[in-house]
Amino acid sequence: KQEVTQIPAALSVPEGENLVLNCSFTDSAIYNLQWFRQDPGKGLTSLLLIQSSQREQTSGRLNASLDKSSGRSTLYIAASQPGDSATYLCAPFNNAGNMLTFGGGTRLMVKP
Amino acid sequence: GAGVSQSPRYKVAKRGQDVALRCDPISGHVSLFWYQQALGQGPEFLTYFQNEAQLDKSGLPSDRFFAERPEGSVSTLKIQRTQQEDSAVYLCASTPDSYTIYFGEGSWLTVV
Repeated sequence: KQEVTQIPAALSVPEGENLVLNCSFTDSAIYNLQWFRQDPGKGLTSLLLIQSSQREQTSGRLNASLDKSSGRSTLYIAASQPGDSATYLCAPFNNAGNMLTFGGGTRLMVKP
Repeated sequence: GAGVSQSPRYKVAKRGQDVALRCDPISGHVSLFWYQQALGQGPEFLTYFQNEAQLDKSGLPSDRFFAERPEGSVSTLKIQRTQQEDSAVYLCASTPDSYTIYFGEGSWLTVV
């Protein structure tokens, strides 16, 4: 059974810092890995998707990397802003494409 | 509609009451997922449909939980004889191809 761990569980930083959020997973037989953002009281918004054959994806100030063989992914946030405050969740999709397993999330607070 | 729609958004149920949560996926999306998210935790898989077929219900926590998608579109998650531990956000998601998955905003269930 896939298990996903996210470190740190919570993070509070001043505005402008560059951040690294870590995700590890136990089963490397994945189809893709997605990073999501969740704001309080809201559903999940997909931020980045990395196919199993890819090493990284970038969108604006966000960069996600994937090392499938070691079961790790990182989300890098450059020049953090207060609007980045949210919970960030990583989730690998299994090879059959029928199971997305989530980590516990990293709760990020960026202070002005 | 443009996105995944869930109703009701908020539900307060008395312990022992039955509840039904509805999910309208994006039109044409073959796959539909239900997840349960407790406060401060990542979403946990409940069940998966491909069209009208429920291919995986391994995450349903007890036989009080039942899900259906009779025409391969709208899905209903039913919880019988609700208990306090059922209090959570219930998230529905759909995808055409396991590439990008779209989540609804969730149904917030509180059992009192």
